Amino acid sequence: SQTIHQWPATLVQPVGSPLSLECTVEGTSNPNLYWYRQAAGRGLQLLFYSVGIGQISSEVPQNLSASRPQDRQFILSSKKLLLSDSGFYLCAWSDREVYYEQYFGPGTRLTVT
Amino acid sequence: EDKVVQSPLSLVVHEGDTVTLNCSYEVTNFRSLLWYKQEKKAPTFLFMLTSSGIEKKSGRLSSILDKKELFSILNITATQTGDSAIYLCAVCLSNTGKLIFGQGTTLQVKP
Repeated sequence: SQTIHQWPATLVQPVGSPLSLECTVEGTSNPNLYWYRQAAGRGLQLLFYSVGIGQISSEVPQNLSASRPQDRQFILSSKKLLLSDSGFYLCAWSDREVYYEQYFGPGTRLTVT
Repeated sequence: EDKVVQSPLSLVVHEGDTVTLNCSYEVTNFRSLLWYKQEKKAPTFLFMLTSSGIEKKSGRLSSILDKKELFSILNITATQTGDSAIYLCAVCLSNTGKLIFGQGTTLQVKP
């Protein structure tokens, strides 16, 4: 069966510091991968999605970036965090064919101080 | 602009009550509508709806889609405290496969 991992689970970082969140998927090949952010009391906002290694689509202009160095690895980064980057970050995967069913990782709660 | 709107934003009921959660949408390339339940962490998949008028059921939860009026409802009967969660509605776009999420409905079931 497929599993999706994210780490760290929680993170407190000062403004201006760098960020790296990692997501890996097991039990599937060539998945579509997604990064979402959920602000407190809000729905999920799609940040990036990837249909293959090195292929990243950005949905929202911001100081975040994403990379997919391996088929089942998706990384969210920032060079300098802003206070507004605080939130709950969720990674998700879907099958390439059954792309409309997305499955979420456990999430990373980021607080920028 | 593609948009998904859920109502109410929050709801407090007592155990045994029946609740109806609403999701309306305006999108240009509709593929399917999905419902998720989010407790402490990751949203978990509940239903996917693609055709109008066909009810999907899972235990005490059921959902139906109306593609003419562009909405879906999620019903929960005989609510339990374990149903307390945020319920998220999302529409999948056929041209990109992206999910557009609503704001979520926070349901609290009191004993």
